[in-house]
Amino acid sequence: DTEVTQTPKHLVMGMTNKKSLKCEQHMGHRAMYWYKQKAKKPPELMFVYSYEKLSINESVPSRFSPECPNSSLLNLHLHALQPEDSALYLCASSLDLDRIYSNQPQHFGDGTRLSIL
Amino acid sequence: GQNIDQPTEMTATEGAIVQINCTYQTSGFNGLFWYQQHAGEAPTFLSYNVLDGLEEKGRFSSFLSRSKGYSYLLLKELQMKDSASYLCAVSLSFSGNTPLVFGKGTRLSVIA
Repeated sequence: DTEVTQTPKHLVMGMTNKKSLKCEQHMGHRAMYWYKQKAKKPPELMFVYSYEKLSINESVPSRFSPECPNSSLLNLHLHALQPEDSALYLCASSLDLDRIYSNQPQHFGDGTRLSIL
Repeated sequence: GQNIDQPTEMTATEGAIVQINCTYQTSGFNGLFWYQQHAGEAPTFLSYNVLDGLEEKGRFSSFLSRSKGYSYLLLKELQMKDSASYLCAVSLSFSGNTPLVFGKGTRLSVIA
């Protein structure tokens, strides 16, 4: 079990559906991340939130919409996804983005395995 | 751009020692992480190096040479459960850049 909890673990959706992925941590971390990981590839960063504000958007298509309702929660809203968006979506958190905390590792959730039909 | 290289796959025998190398060329450097990821599971933190030298943690050790842009992860007394992907990741200086850049990962297979 990890300290970062993601739900659901699996999700199958059609290209016209709207769904949300959820992530929760109670470690007091101030930075939270969304990654996309395809099979046999490393995680690719999508978004970074710092103190509940979006700090980094790695040119992610607008069909992915992140939201950070509070310091413990991170959502990823999905709409009109494409088959190539099928992947493992990982959430992570770390203590802080400031470089003085750069020795602090990111803690990953187990991910949501997303399949787009 | 950021470039992190690791071998794609390695195979080693149970009980043996294996060294997984990582070379990097990045704009900014705030340390290097090694993560382990079993298939279908979350990456888990193994080690962090920011100064040159060797960090030892039980069966796992990690080495860094900043002047050479080089790190390695050393796994001793290999066990079957060590079969996983090992990800090298560089922490960049945060100034609008991606805070953590991952290498492509090395898939290690431990055989009897």
